[in-house]
Amino acid sequence: DAGVIQSPRHEVTEMGQEVTLRCKPISGHNSLFWYRQTMMRGLELLIYFNNNVPIDDSGMPEDRFSAKMPNASFSTLKIQPSEPRDSAVYFCASSRGTGGQETQYFGPGTRLLVL
Amino acid sequence: GENVEQHPSTLSVQEGDSAVIKCTYSDSASNYFPWYKQELGKRPQLIIDIRSNVGEKKDQRIAVTLNKTAKHFSLHITETQPEDSAVYFCAASFGEGYQKVTFGTGTKLQVIP
Repeated sequence: DAGVIQSPRHEVTEMGQEVTLRCKPISGHNSLFWYRQTMMRGLELLIYFNNNVPIDDSGMPEDRFSAKMPNASFSTLKIQPSEPRDSAVYFCASSRGTGGQETQYFGPGTRLLVL
Repeated sequence: GENVEQHPSTLSVQEGDSAVIKCTYSDSASNYFPWYKQELGKRPQLIIDIRSNVGEKKDQRIAVTLNKTAKHFSLHITETQPEDSAVYFCAASFGEGYQKVTFGTGTKLQVIP
C-alpha cells in the first residue's frame, strides 16, 4: 500500500493567495483527518470526515479555511485568502472505522509558508 | 472537549537508561490512548496504544501503563538507543458516537550516545 498521499509537499505563497492542499487516504479507510502542526500550538485537529461526510469541523480556525471530501479517495483543504499565520505543516491522516479508536496513518505532510 | 497534558516537554537521557513520559486527561469516558513518535521532519507514527480494559501493555523496549482512576497514562522506554530520539505524543479519545483523539503537546526525547 502506498500509504496516505499528500500534495504538494512544500508550498510557498504570498499573503492573500489561495492555497489548496490535497490528500489521498489509504484505500478502505473510512475516516480522514486534517491536522495542523506548529511549534506554538502543537498538533491540532482541523476537521474529521467519516464516509466522506464532515463529522466535526470545530477545529477549523475561521471561514478562510474550508475542506471537502467529494469521494472516498480524495480530500482537499483550502485556505482563501492565506495569511502568514497560516504557515505550518498540514497533515492528512486516515483510519478504519470511525477513527477515534483506530490507528491513524499520517501522510508526509505539506509544509506551507505564507509570506 | 478533551484536555491532554503531557510532561516533560523535553527529556535527555544517556544511552541505555530508561525514559518515562507522563500524560493526564480530563474526560473520564476516554477509553483509547495511543502514543505516536515523530522523528525530525517526518510524520507521526503509532508506536503503541492501550485501551481502558487493560492497565499495562508492552512491546519489546516500550511499555504503556494506564491508571483510569487517576486519569493518567505513561510511556516507558527501556535501554534507550540514539534512534529513540524523537518527539513523542500521547493522545486520548473522546466524544459520543464518532470519537476523535486529542494530542498532548509532545515530549522531545534526546538520547545521548
